[in-house]
Order: sequence, then C-alpha cells, then structure tokens
Amino acid sequence: DAKTTQPPSMDCAEGRAANLPCNHSTISGNEYVYWYRQIHSQGPQYIIHGLKNNETNEMASLIITEDRKSSTLILPHATLRDTAVYYCIVYGRDTGRRALTFGSGTRLQVQP
Amino acid sequence: EAGVAQSPRYKIIEKRQSVAFWCNPISGHATLYWYQQILGQGPKLLIQFQNNGVVDDSQLPKDRFSAERLKGVDSTLKIQPAKLEDSAVYLCASSPTGGLTYEQYFGPGTRLTVT
Repeated sequence: DAKTTQPPSMDCAEGRAANLPCNHSTISGNEYVYWYRQIHSQGPQYIIHGLKNNETNEMASLIITEDRKSSTLILPHATLRDTAVYYCIVYGRDTGRRALTFGSGTRLQVQP
Repeated sequence: EAGVAQSPRYKIIEKRQSVAFWCNPISGHATLYWYQQILGQGPKLLIQFQNNGVVDDSQLPKDRFSAERLKGVDSTLKIQPAKLEDSAVYLCASSPTGGLTYEQYFGPGTRLTVT
C-alpha cells in the first residue's frame, strides 16, 4: 500500500469546518483512500473512503484531487467530540490483504 | 448490532509474567485482527485470522506472543513472558467477508502496563 503523509496536529474552532489534508503521491490506480479516526481511549472508527470521486456521508466529506496524489477530509461543522487522531490510509482492496497500515495520523483539537 | 468486545480493559503485570486478552468479534464477521498500539503511534497489525485460520502473522513476535481463534469466533492473544516494551494497547478488530466498504470494526482495546 502507498505511503501517506499527514500533518502531526491541527486546531479548529468549534462550529467551523475542519479540513484535514493527506498526501499520497505514490498511490496506484486500484488503491482507495480510507479515513479512520481514534477518539481518546477508544478503538479506531471508520469515517469514509473513496477511489477518485468526491464522497460524502453523515460524518464527513472526502475530496480527492484529480491526479489522486492528495485528499482532504472535511468535517463541515466541527464539535468538541470530533477531537481525535485522524488516520489517512491508502488501501488496495484487490490485494487480498485486509489489514490496515496506520501511520501516526493528525491529532485534531477542536477548540471551544 | 453489538460491537467488538474485549476484556479485560486494563491489565498491569510484572515483566516475565504471562497475560491473556480475549476478543469477541461482531457476529458473522469472518476476519479478525489483533493490533498493537504503542503510545503516540498508530496501531500495528500483529495477526490476522480468516475464520479460524491464520492469514498473516508476519509481525507477531512468535517467541513470546501466541494467538488462537476458537471455532472461528472468539480469539485470545497471549504474551509469555512479557517484556517492558510490550506495554501498549491491544486492539481487536473484525470485518465481514466480502461487502462493499471493507470496513474494520474495532473494539475498545486492552491497555497493558508491564512493570
């Protein structure tokens, strides 16, 4: 799976949009971008994933650049409960290997 | 739908002692994973089961760690003897076979402190 690069930490004001960037310049055509988050003292939680089109669900939006070398996770109205470590993971679904390779992620602190 | 259950939530042992963790995955999930998460780092895969067979244990320190998945459902992870560097959170996750999203569902983890 391709390597990802994320900033180690970010701050966001409550109620504002949180935009978390991820670089994955070596992504290959069959690899998806997955985002998970880990709230303190909990296990990681799936947020969203995408291949090349922008995706939106009840939790977040995922914007993937046209060349697929980077993406942005958007939390439209961040709350204090969104304070967590966010992991961007590139994952080849057709490799037969299901385990995820986590980096260090971005620690998002939502400020009141 | 019940989530992934793990026990105990916390464990403190002395080095060279043994310890075991238990995981009950989401009902019907064929794939089960054990991850180790050291403070400040992302989770690292230790072992992956498909039903009761091992798919990947390449990062499991087999001289001290062992794992089994009973009848393709529950799983236990054992450390014997423990070292100081084994202090970490041990996460269990499960995922269904097939499906569209290939999501993994994680339990709350067991925090192990080795003194």
